[in-house]
Amino acid sequence: EAGVAQSPRYKIIEKRQSVAFWCNPISGHATLYWYQQILGQGPKLLIQFQNNGVVDDSQLPKDRFSAERLKGVDSTLKIQPAKLEDSAVYLCASSWTGFGANVLTFGAGSRLTVL
Amino acid sequence: GQQLNQSPQSMFIQEGEDVSMNCTSSSIFNTWLWYKQDPGEGPVLLIALYKAGELTSNGRLTAQFGITRKDSFLNISASIPSDVGIYFCAGQLETNTGNQFYFGTGTSLTVIP
Repeated sequence: EAGVAQSPRYKIIEKRQSVAFWCNPISGHATLYWYQQILGQGPKLLIQFQNNGVVDDSQLPKDRFSAERLKGVDSTLKIQPAKLEDSAVYLCASSWTGFGANVLTFGAGSRLTVL
Repeated sequence: GQQLNQSPQSMFIQEGEDVSMNCTSSSIFNTWLWYKQDPGEGPVLLIALYKAGELTSNGRLTAQFGITRKDSFLNISASIPSDVGIYFCAGQLETNTGNQFYFGTGTSLTVIP
């Protein structure tokens, strides 16, 4: 089975610019998560989707971050405008909703550097 | 969010030595997970634990789900250079909005040949 696909793998931008990340979860996984991982820390949840609906976006800085999952499959995460502190790895993960739903499968991540 | 305290923060060991790391929380979890993250990659699942008291092995790795459901440990026996990486624990909760996952701060493992 194909894994969670993410792109781009690396992005360098200047502060106040915008950036978008794309994620395609494992086929059939209804739940999709975006995590932010700052260097030296564990992943922190930004937003969780169930199919194309938002389940939890309480930790998403909505003044600059947005995410969508229009058809309940792939998803995009956008940052506009970027700040220096947004430099991090953005991890996408997915899981089933039935048996085995209590395990997350991650993509390789998108590393963002904001200068 | 839930706080998971993972220790130690880092370890430097000789090849062939055994390693032990643990994770504690003030909250009860339904599932405990252990992931390994190599540089430049996403976390990869090592072991999943589903019941309190469960002891599970995966090759040289052994993990246990604490009886109180608030802690878990991971042991690696006879470490080898490819064990180098960052190990994360994660706890899973079922909520009315779906499954929630919370991560520890990681244990960085260095294996000296």
